Amino acid sequence: QSALTQPPSASGSPGQSVTISCTGTTSDIGAYDYVSWYQQHPGKVPKLMIYEVSKRPSGVPDRFSGSKSGNTASLTVSGLQAEDEADYYCSSYAGTNIWGVFGGGTKLTVL
Amino acid sequence: QITLKESGPTLAKPTQTLTLTCTFSGFSLTTSGVGVAWIRQPPGKALEWLAVINWKDDKRYKSSLKTRLTITKDTSKNQVVLTMTNMDPVDTATYYCAHRPAGGGYYFQDWGQGTLVTVSS
Repeated sequence: QSALTQPPSASGSPGQSVTISCTGTTSDIGAYDYVSWYQQHPGKVPKLMIYEVSKRPSGVPDRFSGSKSGNTASLTVSGLQAEDEADYYCSSYAGTNIWGVFGGGTKLTVL
Repeated sequence: QITLKESGPTLAKPTQTLTLTCTFSGFSLTTSGVGVAWIRQPPGKALEWLAVINWKDDKRYKSSLKTRLTITKDTSKNQVVLTMTNMDPVDTATYYCAHRPAGGGYYFQDWGQGTLVTVSS
């Protein structure tokens, strides 16, 4: 199964909003509302930020939001803060035989 | 509190078989909907989903690695084991196990700390 496509980098100034895209196909993102997003700081374990397209786990700030349109999912970080600087990975369910696929990751820089 | 911890060799030789164990607490793999997955990350590269096993003992594998991977569970020990055959230097990565919670979703809520496996002769 092919990886989902993410831009390698994104950036924004503190307080601004930034949106990271994640493009899949009609077999994964386009077929299921099971997109999730993970934040990973350097040397750290990935942390779930968004699941099922737009749901936030307990403890994740509401500055983080997710959406989907067709085969593309998006993660928006509003009111950027220095601690948001990290790598972000999208993931999608891709059917019973393939199950899961990740994107290539996006490095978010807070300027 | 849910915890997962990976264990196994930190070094493997090419062609060898790697066996990694994920020992978890705070949830049960007998609960409907629950699963445990293995995910790896080569140094400086992206996450890569490898395999998942669920409460019904259903197993799924990344298609390109299917012939090399085996995932099993021991519910009495709260462990999930991943076996990968014919190791190669490109398999050098941090290997994570992760918890898929009950509820029908396909995401990983809790992760182990990861274990770095280096493949080298």
